[in-house]
Amino acid sequence: SQQGEEDPQALSIQEGENATMNCSYKTSINNLQWYRQNSGRGLVHLILIRSNEREKHSGRLRVTLDTSKKSSSLLITASRAADTASYFCATRGYSTLTFGKGTMLLVSP
Amino acid sequence: DTAVSQTPKYLVTQMGNDKSIKCEQNLGHDTMYWYKQDSKKFLKIMFSYNNKELIINETVPNRFSPKSPDKAHLNLHINSLELGDSAVYFCASSQALGTQRPGGTQYFGPGTRLLVL
Repeated sequence: SQQGEEDPQALSIQEGENATMNCSYKTSINNLQWYRQNSGRGLVHLILIRSNEREKHSGRLRVTLDTSKKSSSLLITASRAADTASYFCATRGYSTLTFGKGTMLLVSP
Repeated sequence: DTAVSQTPKYLVTQMGNDKSIKCEQNLGHDTMYWYKQDSKKFLKIMFSYNNKELIINETVPNRFSPKSPDKAHLNLHINSLELGDSAVYFCASSQALGTQRPGGTQYFGPGTRLLVL
């Protein structure tokens, strides 16, 4: 069964604004990862947060993890048109990565 | 330099045909995967190989047969193609399963867009 569920399904913002995407999952995890997929391309790894971490930063990305609520959020600050893509969370149990359905982000100039 | 490559990029074929998709990674990873992404963008794991050995085989019709000639290659052969097989197929690789290092990250190929007519 599907593990991660992203929310919202689609998000449309203006350049310069912040974008927040949420992910909820159901079972225990080893780590949680966020990936980006540009239209017609493969997925690209953005950031990994371990189950014992609460927050992680990478450039304009900020990820939080709340294992008690089984949820994570991805914040992209000062968004750019080039950030337009689908964003997926993926939860890692012991042996596999399970992906959610993704949030489609559109950043308009 | 391409890390994970797949061929072909596009594949259009008739129902009932047999086709293969090839994947190669030059990252020195031990584990390779095949995923299927449907029209709703849902990405579902199909198979995983670790050092040429099948370790994950999700509920996939046995018309799909993966083959790993060495740990840098994982090919996917599909027999008797059906309309529902139309999707984008992604190959990925990572360091060995179970590692606690950040190597849990998976590296994806560009995808093979399969259209069955």
